[in-house]
Amino acid sequence: NAGVTQTPKFQVLKTGQSMTLQCAQDMNHNSMYWYRQDPGMGLRLIYYSASEGTTDKGEVPNGYNVSRLNKREFSLRLESAAPSQTSVYFCASRGPGGGNQPQHFGDGTRLSIL
Amino acid sequence: GESVGLHLPTLSVQEGDNSIINCAYSNSASDYFIWYKQESGKGPQFIIDIRSNMDKRQGQRVTVLLNKTVKHLSLQIAATQPGDSAVYFCAENPGYSTLTFGKGTMLLVSP
Repeated sequence: NAGVTQTPKFQVLKTGQSMTLQCAQDMNHNSMYWYRQDPGMGLRLIYYSASEGTTDKGEVPNGYNVSRLNKREFSLRLESAAPSQTSVYFCASRGPGGGNQPQHFGDGTRLSIL
Repeated sequence: GESVGLHLPTLSVQEGDNSIINCAYSNSASDYFIWYKQESGKGPQFIIDIRSNMDKRQGQRVTVLLNKTVKHLSLQIAATQPGDSAVYFCAENPGYSTLTFGKGTMLLVSP
């Protein structure tokens, strides 16, 4: 049972470089999410995809883009990385049933931007 | 390890004690609530959930209590073990596709 798989687990970038964070889920879930987690800030939603073919902005979308490649995969792209984007990034998915279902998380990508 | 636990309120207990972790939620329209556990270097792990038409729900060694009058949620862990040491946070669904997460409480269990 893989659940939600994120790659890579760790990455160091230089300011201005670009990068795509990958996420895949094998639970046949419709909805997928990208969060960032910073010390003392909790989880903040970057973008989400309620279903295949749709994406929406969350609380902190600036500097990021997303692609819902298919039902399984949802990627997050940093076009020009900035030190303020140093964070731990989590992908999550949720099954059908409206909002009354828990989100299931991957183990994160730890990203440092120098 | 990660620094996600920095600046969080901390609850320190002895092994075998019962632990109570509290959460104040913000939106009176929220109808679904979840507790997550996050261990160092891992993603949040679902523990238990509760819908707004209930005020109590029990799982294995865990109980969630919901008080809608004061917008308060609590997680009770019975017979706390060292493996329960982690950051715990609540989440609420205010009726959208997304969840709103609390900042969390760090639970430290001493043997």
